[in-house]
Amino acid sequence: DIQMTQSPSSLSASVGDRVTITCRASQNIRIHLNWYQQNPGKAPKLLIHAASNLQSGVPSRFSGNGSGTDFTLTISTLQPEDFATYYCQQSYNTPWTFGQGARVEIK
Amino acid sequence: EVQLVESGGGLVKPGRSLRLSCTASGFTFGHFAMEWFRQAPGKGLEWLGFIRTAAYGRTAEYAAPVKGRFTISRDDSKSIAYLHMSSLRSEDTAVYYCTRGVGGSYFSDAFDLWGQGTLVTVSS
Repeated sequence: DIQMTQSPSSLSASVGDRVTITCRASQNIRIHLNWYQQNPGKAPKLLIHAASNLQSGVPSRFSGNGSGTDFTLTISTLQPEDFATYYCQQSYNTPWTFGQGARVEIK
Repeated sequence: EVQLVESGGGLVKPGRSLRLSCTASGFTFGHFAMEWFRQAPGKGLEWLGFIRTAAYGRTAEYAAPVKGRFTISRDDSKSIAYLHMSSLRSEDTAVYYCTRGVGGSYFSDAFDLWGQGTLVTVSS
């Protein structure tokens, strides 16, 4: 199975901050990498697909980058509604696997 | 409205079976693979399996922890996907989500539509 490792696992930030979350795959997954946002008690929401493609309706302050084994999710200017947990997920091989999540908290 | 709605969760005793349903609306259900995930309390997301479209024989694949115990099926005429779970264990306690797979043909590339989730609690 492909292992996905996110860092940091949690971070504290303020509204207006620039935030970057990293995701590393245990093997080359090309650009088969997606990012999801999850709020407490809610279902995950697709933000970025194929490493850097913004899902329809997702604000442009979210961006994704990377290929191979190293990927990033950046929120350019943190908004109050962005405090949530973010997961990366590989779609290169089954079983589809997720990172452990990165919780973005209010500073 | 484009949506997925899960139902069928609840409290079930260890060793028993349960069937979850995922009812789709607002899109052509038969054109999409349907996938199931779960999330144990306070934990991350775990993929369980998927079922392909009729064009690919409605074949299914499963994650190792549930293979042989869980079965995914679909009724395209009713726009419903099912997750049949048997020999349930306490570690199957989780919120179960169905999703729509997009971007690929034989395999999905991403999951752009999620249901609200249904809680399954396995306890005596």
